Amino acid sequence: GIQVEQSPPDLILQEGANSTLRCNFSDSVNNLQWFHQNPWGQLINLFYIPSGTKQNGRLSATTVATERYSLLYISSSQTTDSGVYFCAVVSNFGNEKLTFGTGTRLTIIP
Amino acid sequence: NAGVTQTPKFQVLKTGQSMTLQCAQDMNHEYMSWYRQDPGMGLRLIHYSVGAGITDQGEVPNGYNVSRSTTEDFPLRLLSAAPSQTSVYFCASSYSESGTISYEQYFGPGTRLTVT
Repeated sequence: GIQVEQSPPDLILQEGANSTLRCNFSDSVNNLQWFHQNPWGQLINLFYIPSGTKQNGRLSATTVATERYSLLYISSSQTTDSGVYFCAVVSNFGNEKLTFGTGTRLTIIP
Repeated sequence: NAGVTQTPKFQVLKTGQSMTLQCAQDMNHEYMSWYRQDPGMGLRLIHYSVGAGITDQGEVPNGYNVSRSTTEDFPLRLLSAAPSQTSVYFCASSYSESGTISYEQYFGPGTRLTVT
């Protein structure tokens, strides 16, 4: 099945810093989502972005489907940005399931 | 809209007990699914359904049963709980066309299950 790799696995930043999280996938996809899992365990939808670029406040995401990667940008980090960020994809081939990467754990230090 | 709801939020079971995790959505989504999340890992698909009366196995189906009698509800049954089923369980739903899920998925708040 499709492989999803996220990097870096862990990231520790000072409040106010910017960061870039990467998601690589091994097949073409028709669905790609970014989620934030907060310290209470809730999964929050950030972006539905199978291709192109989207922005929502301090967050933006870009997916280059032809090169099989997606980037999540977080600017001016706040402590509330801490948590785990997951990328998840649905392959164009094979059964219909959302496959998750193992996540990037982001810790923002005040 | 309440979105995707799950009950209970927390549950402790003894080995061999059975229980049902409830999941409901009010968005008229055809596609529903169950995932489990273990420490330090992403989510893994247990079972999914592309519509009422249709279910299929995901990546880790053993030990779990599902049924889909209505569009709104998709319960997950543990017939004989084992410690290996200690996990956090998430239900999700999305719009679907002809069984494909190339649309945004929405997740419930999760059920934290401990089997002793």
